[in-house]
Amino acid sequence: DAGITQSPRHKVTETGTPVTLRCHQTENHRYMYWYRQDPGHGLRLIHYSYGVKDTDKGEVSDGYSVSRSKTEDFLLTLESATSSQTSVYFCAISGRESYEQYFGPGTRLTVT
Amino acid sequence: LAKTTQPISMDSYEGQEVNITCSHNNIATNDYITWYQQFPSQGPRFIIQGYKTKVTNEVASLFIPADRKSSTLSLPRVSLSDTAVYYCLPRPDILTGGGNKLTFGTGTQLKVEL
Repeated sequence: DAGITQSPRHKVTETGTPVTLRCHQTENHRYMYWYRQDPGHGLRLIHYSYGVKDTDKGEVSDGYSVSRSKTEDFLLTLESATSSQTSVYFCAISGRESYEQYFGPGTRLTVT
Repeated sequence: LAKTTQPISMDSYEGQEVNITCSHNNIATNDYITWYQQFPSQGPRFIIQGYKTKVTNEVASLFIPADRKSSTLSLPRVSLSDTAVYYCLPRPDILTGGGNKLTFGTGTQLKVEL
């Protein structure tokens, strides 16, 4: 399995609080992604990164920001969490050579 | 990005061959067709990809006709452990920019029974 870890794996937080999810890879892959998965919607891309300090928005980026200060870490921040952001969040990585995306174990976030 | 359509669910029995067809009428010339598998409480896992004709690996076969408007994932002799959601999605050429952005739909829920 690709070396991808996500932290925390589970989190419960209150509406209005900031939350940061971390994705860490040991594969030295260039591309990193954040998805959310909700019943009836499949996986939807939030943000992605194509290199250190190079990021771009996905289809559901409102309310989220990301940062990538080094190759191995990609952070997803909810500045002020809302109940609509209750979801399972997956990080993924891919390298230019293979194009396959490898997914992390996911983070289950509940906003009360 | 090309829109894909696949059945919401399929049922099968152990030992049978399962074929899941996906339509992608407006796939771009340079797009590959990629299939992922997702088990409950896990992230998706790459299964197979192809551009045209037939591709086979140790897990599945992928059939893509000449017009590339559809593709069929074939799982030989399924077992209970093949129960999962299967996603069909075009994989844009990385040279078109934007990294390897993928668009997952809701997939096909395959249920395998004894």
